[in-house]
This record gives sequence, C-alpha cells and structure tokens, in this order.
Amino acid sequence: ETGVTQTPRHLVMGMTNKKSLKCEQHLGHNAMYWYKQSAKKPLELMFVYSLEERVENNSVPSRFSPECPNSSHLFLHLHTLQPEDSALYLCASSQERGWYGYTFGSGTRLTVV
Amino acid sequence: EDQVTQSPEALRLQEGESSSLNCSYTVSGLRGLFWYRQDPGKGPEFLFTLYSAGEEKEKERLKATLTKKESFLHITAPKPEDSATYLCAVTGSNYQLIWGAGTKLIIKP
Repeated sequence: ETGVTQTPRHLVMGMTNKKSLKCEQHLGHNAMYWYKQSAKKPLELMFVYSLEERVENNSVPSRFSPECPNSSHLFLHLHTLQPEDSALYLCASSQERGWYGYTFGSGTRLTVV
Repeated sequence: EDQVTQSPEALRLQEGESSSLNCSYTVSGLRGLFWYRQDPGKGPEFLFTLYSAGEEKEKERLKATLTKKESFLHITAPKPEDSATYLCAVTGSNYQLIWGAGTKLIIKP
C-alpha cells in the first residue's frame, strides 16, 4: 500500500479510556506530523517528528502522547480525553522538515463521550 | 501576527460557472504559499506551491496566482467533481506553516 495510512478511521472512546492512533507512511519521507482538524477551524499542528526525533510540541495537553518508533510509523496515544478533543486527527509526512508539500492520511474521526 | 484568511467560507456555483477563491495573508518574510484540496472523509491533497508575487500555477481547471497580500484560486468552467474544501497555508521566516480555515466549494450539475 502506498501513501499515508491511518487507523482506525473512526474511534469512539470514553473519557477514562486509553487508545492509540496509528499512522504509517510508505513514501520514504523523513518528517511526520500530527494535526487536529475541527469544523470550520484551521488545521492545528500538534507534533512534528524529523528523522524519528520530536522537534515540535505545540503546547499540546499531556493527555496526548506521540511516539515515533521508526521513520515509517507514528502513533498518538490518548488517555483521559475531554469531549472538546473530539475532532479529525490527521497524520502527514513530507520529504524533510521544511518541505511543505505534505502527503496526508485520511484521518481518524475521534469522538469522546 | 502571522495570519491567513480565506473567503468566502462557502461558495455554490453552477457547473461551468467560473469563479475565484481568495486567500489573504499576513506573514513576515513569505517563503511559500500552498493550496490544498480536501474531499469529505479524506485528508488534504497538495495542489500548488507559490513562492513570489506574480507567480502563477495551473492544473486542469485550477489556476493559482499570488500577490504580496493575497492569493487567488481561479476555477474555470468547474465540474461537480471539483466540489471540495480548498485550504490555503503560508510559511514565513519562522518556518511555521499557518493554515486558513478553508473555502467549501459546491458545484451543482
């Protein structure tokens, strides 16, 4: 499979649950990103990984925890989320950090109940 | 403060009716302006990069232009399959990518 693949596509979780979002890219890119997309709002950058090292963390609450075990995989671990965290979570990759022709995955639609 | 504003928020056109989407920006030291297309249930898809005022890029029925304050995405004789949300983003001297909220384009057959 080519491109950026995100799983699951949909996730409903309670506020006390722990879950993880997965992202996989088969493009040989060196940078990977987590974005949050809420209705009628600009994309919000959450985390940036370059060559498997976290290089940006944009004041994201600690209930979101990223992990990048290798250059092809990115995870977002979720725990004790709030209803306002319900959104579309998008993973993206690029050839290198600073190259903005991103390839995005289809996202995970998260609902916190 | 770096900022991107897209207008209109939504645009409904008849098939074949040409129009333009606007992306106004404020950024220190523009390094690039980017257009993406997002279909429902999918992530954004990269369309164009523009680097300097006066630059133009074309792809099928889409043409992107850039001035020192704004970019336009012109759509000529659109078809229903052009319906999507179009996102604009800029990056400046601090290398942060600043996104607009998007324009939802609906083309009626």
